Amino acid sequence: GQNIDQPTEMTATEGAIVQINCTYQTSGFNGLFWYQQHAGEAPTFLSYNVLDGLEEKGRFSSFLSRSKGYSYLLLKELQMKDSASYLCGNLRGQNFVFGPGTRLSVLP
Amino acid sequence: DAGVIQSPRHEVTEMGQEVTLRCKPISGHDYLFWYRQTMMRGLELLIYFNNNVPIDDSGMPEDRFSAKMPNASFSTLKIQPSEPRDSAVYFCASSTTLVSPYEQYFGPGTRLTVT
Repeated sequence: GQNIDQPTEMTATEGAIVQINCTYQTSGFNGLFWYQQHAGEAPTFLSYNVLDGLEEKGRFSSFLSRSKGYSYLLLKELQMKDSASYLCGNLRGQNFVFGPGTRLSVLP
Repeated sequence: DAGVIQSPRHEVTEMGQEVTLRCKPISGHDYLFWYRQTMMRGLELLIYFNNNVPIDDSGMPEDRFSAKMPNASFSTLKIQPSEPRDSAVYFCASSTTLVSPYEQYFGPGTRLTVT
């Protein structure tokens, strides 16, 4: 993805908490979103942030700092089914841009 | 409710042939997106429409690619002539401004292989 950085892979234990970071270029920023994609499947929407702060949605929360060009996705009480790729993306101008994704493996 | 419908699910074709991918968005959605996903380049936006009008086609690789949306319930992505480097999974997605254009619903994708 254009100027969006995420860790390539992460590993965590079932029941734990994991934070997936995302940094992006701030110019032209109009909003940030997170998607989950299981292997071999289509992406599914998780969250979006247009204002600074934390948005909580069940076990998943997303944080945004527009001045720092930084976001994170927080996953609590990890379950095996959370093993997937997590894509950070943003709207820059009129263009929706996705990052390369972070592959999360949840171990028993 | 039916989600986004794409056809075909798999397409294998020879270099130089024309390929047409089809998409039916969720009824009532006013945004339609075409994406391409490969291991090397990740998920890339090719083009998107709002109310059947193309808004941003800066991601369309070159003149070999074209997309149309003749009405609110149908869109096509055409590649002519196809090349091996076009091999990828092509996703169509839709969303509605009544909720947010960020909240996109993806179809199952078309896996295209060009030999």
